Amino acid sequence: GESVGLHLPTLSVQEGDNSIINCAYSNSASDYFIWYKQESGKGPQFIIDIRSNMDKRQGQRVTVLLNKTVKHLSLQIAATQPGDSAVYFCAETPYGNKLVFGAGTILRVKS
Amino acid sequence: SAVISQKPSRDICQRGTSLTIQCQVDSQVTMMFWYRQQPGQSLTLIATANQGSEATYESGFVIDKFPISRPNLTFSTLTVSNMSPEDSSIYLCSVVGTGGSGANVLTFGAGSRLTVL
Repeated sequence: GESVGLHLPTLSVQEGDNSIINCAYSNSASDYFIWYKQESGKGPQFIIDIRSNMDKRQGQRVTVLLNKTVKHLSLQIAATQPGDSAVYFCAETPYGNKLVFGAGTILRVKS
Repeated sequence: SAVISQKPSRDICQRGTSLTIQCQVDSQVTMMFWYRQQPGQSLTLIATANQGSEATYESGFVIDKFPISRPNLTFSTLTVSNMSPEDSSIYLCSVVGTGGSGANVLTFGAGSRLTVL
């Protein structure tokens, strides 16, 4: 299928290594920060979120870190697999239910 | 979480024509959101569609260009009017779900990829 991230920054990692995807957000008033994964030809899928009063949250193979001082969000993927290849977007919620998306990063996993 | 179906999944359109995208949800939802994803870009919110009232448009988007209907709690349409090549994008419908931290996480359809010649 076609790529949705032709002009986005790319992170290439070896299968089995850990991946760290970074995001800078803009609004200090956001209550939640969310990571989405978008595979080719599909809509974005929820991965994990974190509330603004937390600095770390772990899921299955993923960890989200929030640094409010510098308005920085990161997604760590442990033991990266080929199925993790996708475009990753961070999003924030400065206005209730509306999501504001960040620029996105392409993750390519090399076997 | 809700299952969202969008039609068409893709289309090639001629300049100056209009196309209506349909979004069907398998459960009743109060709010539906329409996003645009231009080639190689992130997602931008076009409007919020509430049943029984006019859609609320974001800055840079107007009703004449992107009219929206919301006839019931499971369905919405977005029309892209008088299309130009700059309208070539993926258009995505989304609804509110629930995330692990209690956030109102959005669930997205697969999108409708429009190419305007």
